[in-house]
Amino acid sequence: GQSLEQPSEVTAVEGAIVQINCTYQTSGFYGLSWYQQHDGGAPTFLSYNALDGLEETGRFSSFLSRSDSYGYLLLQELQMKDSASYFCAVPNTGGFKTIFGAGTRLFVKA
Amino acid sequence: EAQVTQNPRYLITVTGKKLTVTCSQNMNHEYMSWYRQDPGLGLRQIYYSMNVEVTDKGDVPEGYKVSRKEKRNFPLILESPSPNQTSLYFCASSPSSGGATGELFFGEGSRLTVL
Repeated sequence: GQSLEQPSEVTAVEGAIVQINCTYQTSGFYGLSWYQQHDGGAPTFLSYNALDGLEETGRFSSFLSRSDSYGYLLLQELQMKDSASYFCAVPNTGGFKTIFGAGTRLFVKA
Repeated sequence: EAQVTQNPRYLITVTGKKLTVTCSQNMNHEYMSWYRQDPGLGLRQIYYSMNVEVTDKGDVPEGYKVSRKEKRNFPLILESPSPNQTSLYFCASSPSSGGATGELFFGEGSRLTVL
């Protein structure tokens, strides 16, 4: 089957670093994406890793290990506005279907 | 402004009354897709379209229809809505299939309630 697993909830304090893990099982692999969704809002794209390693974009970084079928999103210098749900996603079936994880709810406390 | 526009944003309807949720993008994207989002289940793909007149089923297509007569528009049709189709629906687009860039551009969502 095809599936992605990520923790349902993570809590961290303002200014801290948090890592959200994602393990996947897919038929054919193209890359791992991450999306952020605030309550009542639309998912917005954060990053995409097609190759192994770490990609950094400001306070957010994303890592991929294809041999381990594993990736993570790293959020540094947490801010209250980072409180949101974060989804990992993988395109498969020729890249035309995108499978999303169930999402990780991040709570940032003062 | 580059955007994906969905209408209506909110709708309450009754079982069996046909409805259409429209989706339009102004980015000249080839790929468009519909998702539904339910608590604890993440986003599940309903249908997608690789280009005009080319559509295919996602993971949860039952009870839905789509069409792609123009590149910019990808309406979602519920011929006979049922309460289990109560959900938050998102339309998304991408310059090519999601496998190329991994980036999907989402509309603001349409919250549908079927009584």
